[in-house]
This record gives sequence, structure tokens and C-alpha cells, in this order.
Amino acid sequence: NAGVMQNPRHLVRRRGQEARLRCSPMKGHSHVYWYRQLPEEGLKFMVYLQKENIIDESGMPKERFSAEFPKEGPSILRIQQVVRGDSAAYFCASSTGTVEDTQYFGPGTRLTVL
Amino acid sequence: AQSVSQHNHHVILSEAASLELGCNYSYGGTVNLFWYVQYPGQHLQLLLKYFSGDPLVKGIKGFEAEFIKSKFSFNLRKPSVQWSDTAEYFCAVRGGGSYIPTFGRGTSLIVHP
Repeated sequence: NAGVMQNPRHLVRRRGQEARLRCSPMKGHSHVYWYRQLPEEGLKFMVYLQKENIIDESGMPKERFSAEFPKEGPSILRIQQVVRGDSAAYFCASSTGTVEDTQYFGPGTRLTVL
Repeated sequence: AQSVSQHNHHVILSEAASLELGCNYSYGGTVNLFWYVQYPGQHLQLLLKYFSGDPLVKGIKGFEAEFIKSKFSFNLRKPSVQWSDTAEYFCAVRGGGSYIPTFGRGTSLIVHP
């Protein structure tokens, strides 16, 4: 039973390029969450999605960041025109979506912006 | 807005020592509580969780946590740590009715053999 999958595990981009991070939820999970982890900090919530819907994007920066979870395929977190400050670990979690359920995390994508 | 405080940012112990990591939260209503562990270079794994019932929760790898409602606390404990417990530990709190947990800053635990 595969867990949450994320790819790539490591991503290096130069300033101004685009970064695309992918997340495939656990089997049976239809809810996906994206978090960002900076050094010496905890996880910061970014966005919560269901299939084809953004439920809560209160943690997303207003510009350059977007997320989707299409009917088919993985969830994508997209960062346009990356800057050095975007360097971080980005974690995806999935759940069944019931109020008393639990989020299960993927291995993360470590983004480095040169 | 809810917040989570982990007062100990760095803890260093010798093997066989007892461990207690503090977690306090601010939220007045019903809460769901979680402890996650992140081993070096790995993703977060669930150690234990509390939704309701017995406030003393047993988790994996010998960890337990006690929910004390009057103190807004959910401290993590282990009677005897091992070198393999070296990791980052995160407390998370989710207010009743919300899907999104709030994470604490994390506590880095180093266990010397």
C-alpha cells in the first residue's frame, strides 16, 4: 500500500525559472494539503485541495504560487519566477477528508534556488 | 486563531534517559492533537494522536502523550530513549471542525549513545 508520493525529491532552479512539484496522495485519499518548511521553523500550511477544487488557500503567497489537483493525475504546486527565498522543503499530505481523520505526509521536495 | 508552542527547541539526552517534550496550544474549543516525528532526511511520520476518550494516548515506538485540557497541553513522553530516537518532533493541533492542523515549531532531539 503505497504512501504519499512526491517528486522530484530534490529540485534545483535558477532565479526566474519555474518549479513544479508533484504529489500523489495515498490510495483512497481525495484530499491534499501542501506545506512549506523553512530551516528552524515548523510546517506552514499553504493550500488545501480536493479533486478539481481549492478548499483553502489562505497560506499561499498572493503571487507566483498556484496549486491544482485535477480529476486525473497528481496534485501540482507551481512556483513561477522563483526567488532565493523560495528555497525550502515542500511537503504534501493527504487524507480521507473526514473531520476526525489524519494527514499522512510524503517525503517532501527540497527546492534550491540558485 | 489557534497557535501551538513547543518550548524546547533543542534537547540533548543520553541513551536510557527519560524524555518529556512540551506542547501547549491556544484554542478554547474541542481539539484534535497530534505528534509527528521527522527522522533526518525523511518525511513526517505520525507518532500518536488524540481525538477523544482516554487522555493518555499510547503511540508507536514506546511513546505516549497526555492531554491535559485544563493546561491546554499535550506533552510527549518516553521513559527510556534510544539513539534511534534522534529526530525532530512536531506537535500539531486542529480545532474542532477544521481540516487544517497548526504545527509547532518543532523540537530537535539528539540522543547520545
